[in-house]
Amino acid sequence: QVQLVESGGGVVQPGRSLRLSCAASGFTLSRWNMHWVRQPPGKGLEWMSVISYDGGSKNYADSVKGRFTISRDNSKNTVYLQMNSLRVEDTAVYYCARDRAGGMRGFDYWGQGTLVTVSS
Amino acid sequence: NFMLTQPHSVSESPGKTVTISCTGSSGSIASNYVQWYQQRPGSAPTTVIYENNQRPSGVPDRFSGSIDSSSNSASLTISGLKTEDEADYYCQSYHSSNQGVFGTGTKVTVL
Repeated sequence: QVQLVESGGGVVQPGRSLRLSCAASGFTLSRWNMHWVRQPPGKGLEWMSVISYDGGSKNYADSVKGRFTISRDNSKNTVYLQMNSLRVEDTAVYYCARDRAGGMRGFDYWGQGTLVTVSS
Repeated sequence: NFMLTQPHSVSESPGKTVTISCTGSSGSIASNYVQWYQQRPGSAPTTVIYENNQRPSGVPDRFSGSIDSSSNSASLTISGLKTEDEADYYCQSYHSSNQGVFGTGTKVTVL
């Protein structure tokens, strides 16, 4: 069965960096576009970033463009989110999600999320 | 920036019908597919509607989706409301090439 497991969250000071990982299993990762979505505590969902199946195309929300970088290693069945220059407002649960087949049709599988807390 | 606006909350009694709107701020909401997600406390979202009006397997037909171009909005209707439907619901679409956007979210309370 399809499974996505995020890791790498934790408490970090403002201005520091953190790298999140999303380990995929139960499907061939190299055939799927993948996304990151975040949710601040008690607030709504915010789309963050997408990477194409081969890593050749990437896109970001304006709020993180230039600070966050999405990448993938299909040989390791893992997608990453490198987060630099973290701000208090980046505090959130971060989910990875698989693109629904056909593209631009939402997300069909989600991980359980990993909590990032940015605080001094 | 393209935004999707939803009512903050809706409430209704069991067995009744609720409809949640999702209004686009600009452009045509019909230009891209709209999805709807259900999120219960402490859990990841799950899809209840994709491609405007398609239900994933396992989602009951009490859930339906539609698009109204005249009001530039999408709607999620839940009929025969059950206590298990109490959750937050988010619409989702796109405002450029594969750049996603979520609605503001609606809390559904079953009285």
